This record gives sequence, structure tokens and C-alpha cells, in this order.
Amino acid sequence: DVKVTQSSRYLVKRTGEKVFLECVQDMDHENMFWYRQDPGLGLRLIYFSYDVKMKEKGDIPEGYSVSREKKERFSLILESASTNQTSMYLCATARGQGAFNEQFFGPGTRLTVL
Amino acid sequence: AQKITQTQPGMFVQEKEAVTLDCTYDTSDPSYGLFWYKQPSSGEMIFLIYQGSYDQQNATEGRYSLNFQKARKSANLVISASQLGDSAMYFCAMREIPPRQLTFGSGTQLTVLP
Repeated sequence: DVKVTQSSRYLVKRTGEKVFLECVQDMDHENMFWYRQDPGLGLRLIYFSYDVKMKEKGDIPEGYSVSREKKERFSLILESASTNQTSMYLCATARGQGAFNEQFFGPGTRLTVL
Repeated sequence: AQKITQTQPGMFVQEKEAVTLDCTYDTSDPSYGLFWYKQPSSGEMIFLIYQGSYDQQNATEGRYSLNFQKARKSANLVISASQLGDSAMYFCAMREIPPRQLTFGSGTQLTVLP
């Protein structure tokens, strides 16, 4: 079974803090994704990576950066957290490039920025 | 324009009845995949069913079936014999090739009544 883990289920930070969200997968998948989920908006893609040290901007990259130094780990960084970044953050992984490559999701991190 | 549209923010269904969750999509690519995910209140995203754009038959997985109408660009999820455990948020998503990421709809909150 694919296992995707995220470093925290719940996180509370203060405005201006630097925040790291970590995602680790154990299935050797090439592709990793960071989404944020907000009520009424579904999941929106922040960044994704299709290989080590490679990254691509998603639909809402502003205020975020990512790092992928190892294949199994994909980090999302909020350089200076703001209250509008309070959200649920979901990491996902997928194998290869095919149309049917199911994305496997982590349990999510609910981030609150005060 | 929205790539994935789910027009039903909330739905109610009586236990043991069938329910259809609507999803329409927008793409000009001939090759794409359509996915449905379930998200219970615990937050994890659970893959339910997949339909490829070239698949001739509608996909089925147990009590889940996908009513794929390519000309109408719709991919509705049908859940037969609803159970209380089906109460959850349901997301429709699409992958075009390229890119590799999924684009999600805003979701439908399904509540199964006893």
C-alpha cells in the first residue's frame, strides 16, 4: 500500500512566522503535489514536482515555495505566514505520466495562522 | 472558465436509495482522465473510480458507477444502495495530458439519512 505521511495533522502559527510542511512517501513515485483545500473552492494546486529538484507552479503559488531534495520528500514552505493561508493542506503523490495515475493523498495538515 | 463544475453543494439521500452526483468538465484535449474522490469528515481523500476519455464503457466499482457522457462533457457519479457511511464530501477531478496534476471541482457534501 502507498503510504503518504504529513508531518502534522494540526498546526497553529503566528503571522510572519516561517512554516514548513513536510510530506513523505514510500512508493518511489515521481510526482508529488501540494494542494490547499478551502470550503466551496475544492482543492487548488499550489506546487508540484515531477522529479528531484524539479518544481512547477500550480494555480496559487503566491506566498509559497517548495523543496524536493530527495525523491520521497516534498516540503511546502510559507516564508512569512499570513492569516489568509489558514487552510487544510494536502500532499499527494502519483506514479509516471499516464492519464490514469491515481493520486494518493496524505491525511492533511490543518494550519491556523493567528 | 471552470474546468470542473459540481453544481450541487449539498445533497441528501435516504439510506438504501441510489443517488447521482453531478460533474461537468471542460477540455479541448482528446486524452484525459476523470476521477472521483470521497473525503469523510476525518479528512483523508479516498479514490473511488476512474474513467478514461477513450474508454467505451462506463466505469464501475462495486456500488459506484460513473455515468460518462462524452458529448455532454459530464461524468456523474452514481452510488447505488446508499449507506450511512457514504456521508462525506465527494470531489470530481480531471487530468489532462499534459499536465500531470488533477483539477478538482468544488465538491458535493452528501448526507445519507437513516
